[in-house]
Amino acid sequence: KAGVTQTPRYLIKTRGQQVTLSCSPISGHRSVSWYQQTPGQGLQFLFEYFSETQRNKGNFPGRFSGRQFSNSRSEMNVSTLELGDSALYLCASSAGHDGYTFGSGTRLTVV
Amino acid sequence: GNSVTQMEGPVTLSEEAFLTINCTYTATGYPSLFWYVQYPGEGLQLLLKATKADDKGSNKGFEATYRKETTSFHLEKGSVQVSDSAVYFCALSVTGTASKLTFGTGTRLQVTL
Repeated sequence: KAGVTQTPRYLIKTRGQQVTLSCSPISGHRSVSWYQQTPGQGLQFLFEYFSETQRNKGNFPGRFSGRQFSNSRSEMNVSTLELGDSALYLCASSAGHDGYTFGSGTRLTVV
Repeated sequence: GNSVTQMEGPVTLSEEAFLTINCTYTATGYPSLFWYVQYPGEGLQLLLKATKADDKGSNKGFEATYRKETTSFHLEKGSVQVSDSAVYFCALSVTGTASKLTFGTGTRLQVTL
């Protein structure tokens, strides 16, 4: 079956702009989580959505937001981009606590 | 809170050497434990998991045993290959909370011929 699909794979944005990243989970998975990976901070949890509701949120500023659609696809948005937002953004889908399947990520570069 | 501590890398080994990457955890609740691997330019792949004490997860020659008494989940492989070169992450999630993985800092493994 198809894995977790993230688009786009690479993105270059200018400071102050906003960006939207997309994640299509594995069919049947209703939970979608987002993580930010940077060399300095490692892997940090952003938020998790389940059946279109945000169920858990990490410690990130309000510039980071997300949503989930009725087909479980999810988007995350970052507004007013800062240089420090440059990172690999990973999406994971899950059918429960037994495992989380990750996508290949979106590499965001803010210049 | 929950936390995962991994041994610092990089770890450099010759092909066919024995590998151990240490991982210890702190959790409020009863965690499930995972090892993920990340190859250059890619996302995370689940390597193995264990959901209760004394469970042994295994995959592709890698093994890890859930040790509740020592709060550890060390990754081992008897004979590494060059293709095992990657970054390895230990992680946990706690049953009863929303889906959230807490990761260690990652350990880079480099295997040479």
